Formats: sequence, structure tokens, C-alpha cells
Amino acid sequence: GQNIDQPTEMTATEGAIVQINCTYQTSGFNGLFWYQQHAGEAPTFLSYNVLDGLEEKGRFSSFLSRSKGYSYLLLKELQMKDSASYLCAVFSGGYNKLIFGAGTRLAVHP
Amino acid sequence: DAGVIQSPRHEVTEMGQEVTLRCKPISGHDYLFWYRQTMMRGLELLIYFNNNVPIDDSGMPEDRFSAKMPNASFSTLKIQPSEPRDSAVYFCASSPDGGETQYFGPGTRLLVL
Repeated sequence: GQNIDQPTEMTATEGAIVQINCTYQTSGFNGLFWYQQHAGEAPTFLSYNVLDGLEEKGRFSSFLSRSKGYSYLLLKELQMKDSASYLCAVFSGGYNKLIFGAGTRLAVHP
Repeated sequence: DAGVIQSPRHEVTEMGQEVTLRCKPISGHDYLFWYRQTMMRGLELLIYFNNNVPIDDSGMPEDRFSAKMPNASFSTLKIQPSEPRDSAVYFCASSPDGGETQYFGPGTRLLVL
């Protein structure tokens, strides 16, 4: 079966660091994606991990451990505009499918 | 490039009516995906096409839903007859590389009364 778990909601303070966790159990794995989705808008690509380890991209970093079925998205120096939903998604290459988690709604407060 | 284009952006209809959602993928992208997003179920893949051919429609909820891709630059998702539980945001996405990198359209917000 396919199962992707991430927290429903998180809150954080402007300027702080927040880590959003994602655990997955899927049949087939060819990479893990993080998407950002602002309210009323389409998801937009943030990061992609296919090998274990940390990928850094500016204020955003993403980590993957394939043996543990675990990933996290790290957001540093939080800004108000980072308030959005963050979707964890597993790409199942054998099926050419992106399977999305339910998303984590992040609220950044002043 | 204009990105993925979807129309209409908003649709309000009555139960029992036919609804047709349209999508124009990014030029040169061989893969096209239709998703549905609701608060309860999140983002779900309905169907995807490769080179205009439907590859996997296992996510299509029932026979009331159908999708076509008559050419590389146009796809439709049709619901007939529509029901209130079909109310959702429907996204179309296209990909140049087998689905790893997907570019989403702005979505169609459907409300069935």
C-alpha cells in the first residue's frame, strides 16, 4: 500500500527555524519531493531527494533516509511569506506517479 | 512559456449537470496529469497521459469521470452527471521527464450545488 504521513499543522515565529517531517511506506521509490502550496494557489516545486543525505537550497534544505522511509524539510530564517502548506510526495517510478501526503499547514507569526 | 493553462478557473453548477474542465500543457511536455484536491483527501492523482495515451486511470473515482487528450496541446476532464461530492479543486500538471518534475496549472475550483 501507499502511506505518507506528515503533521497536519505547525506554527513558528518569524526568523526562526522549523522542521517538517515526513514518513513514507510506498511500493516503489524513485525519489522524494517537497512542494509548497499557498492558499488558493497551485503546488510549486521546492526540492527533490533521491539519495540519502541533505540537499540545501538557500533557506530551504531537505533530508532523506531511504532505509528509514523518512524525510524532513528544514526552513531557516522564516518569513511571513513562508506561511503555506508543504506537501511531501514520493515518486514511484515504476508507475510514473507522484503520491502526495496530506500536507502540513505552516503558520508563521511575527 | 505561459505555463500550464486551465479553464475555467471557477465553475459553479447544479447537481446532474455535465462539467468539462480543460487543460493546455506546457509545449514539449509528453506527460499530463489530472489531480483532485479536497480538504478530506488531499491531492489525489486521477489519471495521467503519456504522448496523448492514457496510461493509468486507476485514480478515476467512477464511471461518471472521463478524460481525453486528443492532441499534445489539449486535454479534458469531464464529469457527467456531476454530484455535490465532486466539489474540489482540479489541477492539471505536465512533465517533460516522466513525471518527476511536474508543473501545475492554477487549478479549476468546482462547486456542485
